[in-house]
Amino acid sequence: NAGVTQTPKFQVLKTGQSMTLQCAQDMNHEYMSWYRQDPGMGLRLIHYSVGAGITDQGEVPNGYNVSRSTTEDFPLRLLSAAPSQTSVYFCASSYSHGGQMYGYTFGSGTRLTVV
Amino acid sequence: DAKTTQPPSMDCAEGRAANLPCNHSTISGNEYVYWYRQIHSQGPQYIIHGLKNNETNEMASLIITEDRKSSTLILPHATLRDTAVYYCIVRADWTGSRLTFGEGTQLTVNP
Repeated sequence: NAGVTQTPKFQVLKTGQSMTLQCAQDMNHEYMSWYRQDPGMGLRLIHYSVGAGITDQGEVPNGYNVSRSTTEDFPLRLLSAAPSQTSVYFCASSYSHGGQMYGYTFGSGTRLTVV
Repeated sequence: DAKTTQPPSMDCAEGRAANLPCNHSTISGNEYVYWYRQIHSQGPQYIIHGLKNNETNEMASLIITEDRKSSTLILPHATLRDTAVYYCIVRADWTGSRLTFGEGTQLTVNP
């Protein structure tokens, strides 16, 4: 298993540009999430999904869109990049079994700089 | 999800046990305690979780007090590679995939 794969690893955008951060997992996990981590700060939840076709907002959703058309993929779209979106973005996936939620597997992150 | 309180930083000598405390005095009956760690610049790594019984896996042990108001993560023989920020998270399964990270504890393992 490759686990959670994020692409690209690094990206520089100009203000106003749009782009999609890709996230794919091959573990058949139903739960997927996107987080951002600003320098020296903790992780903040952007959007999450509890299954294909179902998404919901986290604590910092403004400026981002997501969709979940398949179990494997959970892309994050930046609509119009702003310098405040300069951050490291992490995608994560998890599953439940027997009524219990198991630990998240995180990707290695995408380091985004908006100039 | 219940709020957690962790010390901002701790030190540990290499080869000794690292005991990381977490206070979650407002935890409710259906909430689990999860521990993650984040080594500099990497994605967080799941360590262990538990409800009320003590748990052990290949990475660590989790001790939860009988009243469930606090817990301790134990790394039995800390190595330099265990230097990381450790996060204690309390959440209920019904919240689905929401996972809220606090400030965590910066553990530094010294040679």
